[in-house]
Amino acid sequence: GPKVLQIPSHQIIDMGQMVTLNCDPVSNHLYFYWYKQILGQQMEFLVNFYNGKVMEKSKLFKDQFSVERPDGSYFTLKIQPTALEDSAVYFCASSTGASAETLYFGSGTRLTVL
Amino acid sequence: GEKVEQHESTLSVREGDSAVINCTYTDTASSYFPWYKQEAGKGLHFVIDIRSNVDRKQSQRLIVLLDKKAKRFSLHITATQPEDSAIYFCAASTAGNTRKLIFGLGTTLQVQP
Repeated sequence: GPKVLQIPSHQIIDMGQMVTLNCDPVSNHLYFYWYKQILGQQMEFLVNFYNGKVMEKSKLFKDQFSVERPDGSYFTLKIQPTALEDSAVYFCASSTGASAETLYFGSGTRLTVL
Repeated sequence: GEKVEQHESTLSVREGDSAVINCTYTDTASSYFPWYKQEAGKGLHFVIDIRSNVDRKQSQRLIVLLDKKAKRFSLHITATQPEDSAIYFCAASTAGNTRKLIFGLGTTLQVQP
């Protein structure tokens, strides 16, 4: 099936540093998402992105978070500065568009903030 | 806020038996219910979904049932095989907003040969 690639699979950084998580979505998809999963907890919606804009975000999407997809390249999640509570697995997903479309997920990036 | 509860955290069955994973949801406006499978070290892989206009859907060995009155839906895997072993996640979202899925905690299914 369609594949979403996430790079890197694991990232370790010091608190206060900036981190960028990269996602290569399915090529003809138009909607992009980030979800966050803290160990032992449910996967939770962070943000969705369409046509260069954030369409919807949750309360977990703090001011330190930003997303972009410059010129159809990687869809990125940037955290600046990072905090200890940002340690989690971040999953990227994409879909073709309109509601009721299946989301295809990547394998996640495990972020560890020390 | 909206919640999805996945009732079985682990499930062990013998190869060839059926496995059933149950989920309940709180938001009565929920109308789209996908299921995902996650194998070790891999991402979430879409397996099947159901929308609120039907109460049953089948795809090969997978059957999804939806009981809107009870706000409950379930995944039935028939004739299980060892390769069905994985973590299964249920999710729900409201009409027109499938981009915001509410996930369950996951059920680890082990199929014993």
